[in-house]
Amino acid sequence: DGGITQSPKYLFRKEGQNVTLSCEQNLNHDAMYWYRQDPGQGLRLIYYSQIVNDFQKGDIAEGYSVSREKKESFPLTVTSAQKNPTAFYLCASSRDRGEGTEQYFGPGTRLTVT
Amino acid sequence: GENVEQHPSTLSVQEGDSAVIKCTYSDSASNYFPWYKQELGKRPQLIIDIRSNVGEKKDQRIAVTLNKTAKHFSLHITETQPEDSAVYFCAARDTGFQKLVFGTGTRLLVSP
Repeated sequence: DGGITQSPKYLFRKEGQNVTLSCEQNLNHDAMYWYRQDPGQGLRLIYYSQIVNDFQKGDIAEGYSVSREKKESFPLTVTSAQKNPTAFYLCASSRDRGEGTEQYFGPGTRLTVT
Repeated sequence: GENVEQHPSTLSVQEGDSAVIKCTYSDSASNYFPWYKQELGKRPQLIIDIRSNVGEKKDQRIAVTLNKTAKHFSLHITETQPEDSAVYFCAARDTGFQKLVFGTGTRLLVSP
């Protein structure tokens, strides 16, 4: 299934706690992405990284943070500042940022905050 | 930046019928247009893509057409089967920020 993994599959947290979602890929891809998926709203980009030690904000970055210290890893932290963190989170990677490179998605993490 | 609109949001067809999903984009410089299929609870998976130097591409029962002048592209599924039931997303590559911008998805239901 593409060599990109996310853990855990389900995650439960109390309001006010920070939580970190894991994303690892063994595809040797340069670019990695985090999306949030809510019912009826499609895929919204949170953060993306084209290269190690560099990342850019997507469309809904507020309340989230990322790091890209290694090529294969792109963890996402959902902070207590994120007002509505309950959602399905998808990580993706692509070979590079060149023209027409397919994005491969991980299996997703469903986060529930109560 | 790029903006992608997708219609319809839901589509119900009978098995064997054809299904068409349409997307429009705003950035005339966009050059890559993939389509993803997402089954319930699963990850999105690429089913077909098209580049701006091509007008149509087919893969068995699936085809994508691109009209650069009108800035729209469409997914065509022929001889639909119940296993085609899923949410389909179109996307366009934002050339300014080197990222994909996704449509809001179409839920396709194929009834036996």
